[in-house]
Amino acid sequence: GAVVSQHPSRVICKSGTSVKIECRSLDFQATTMFWYRQFPKQSLMLMATSNEGSKATYEQGVEKDKFLINHASLTLSTLTVTSAHPEDSSFYICSARDGQGSYEQYFGPGTRLTVT
Amino acid sequence: GENVEQHPSTLSVQEGDSAVIKCTYSDSASNYFPWYKQELGKRPQLIIDIRSNVGEKKDQRIAVTLNKTAKHFSLHITETQPEDSAVYFCAASLFGNEKLTFGTGTRLTIIP
Repeated sequence: GAVVSQHPSRVICKSGTSVKIECRSLDFQATTMFWYRQFPKQSLMLMATSNEGSKATYEQGVEKDKFLINHASLTLSTLTVTSAHPEDSSFYICSARDGQGSYEQYFGPGTRLTVT
Repeated sequence: GENVEQHPSTLSVQEGDSAVIKCTYSDSASNYFPWYKQELGKRPQLIIDIRSNVGEKKDQRIAVTLNKTAKHFSLHITETQPEDSAVYFCAASLFGNEKLTFGTGTRLTIIP
């Protein structure tokens, strides 16, 4: 199946700093990628839909100025958590569909962000 | 928007017995229903999915049933094994939209 990677897998940052997370589709092109946040023992909550070459679409309640999304190419989307605070600590996961007639979405391995 | 409810939140089953997890959805336009298995700290892995044009799909020990009229779908795992222990999520989406709305998850524990 298609492969989606994320980098870094873990990151610890100080409160007030910014962190960038990369999501790459390794063997397919993805015009659309999705960013989710998952708190411990909870479900995946969609944060935003990342569209190649255009602005991301954010879900209700997600601050677009805090969670900056850039989808500069068909294989790369980035999520930047700006001015991070401890409450932003979470597991961030991206996903993509390869668009070749399959419904399946492929998930990245996730990035565990800890803000101290 | 779509709302997906999932039950139970936890489920313990003796090894070899069957496990059933149920989900309901609110948007009658949804037409794609995947099930994911997630182990601790890992990515969700698709284990089976069903489209709205069929009522049942089976893959070895795993099956999914869909009742469009009632807007609910279920995951059935037979002959459970310890490696089936994980958190399972159902989801719903409208093909073309691609957004997945996830259920709240079921922590399945297989008791040896």
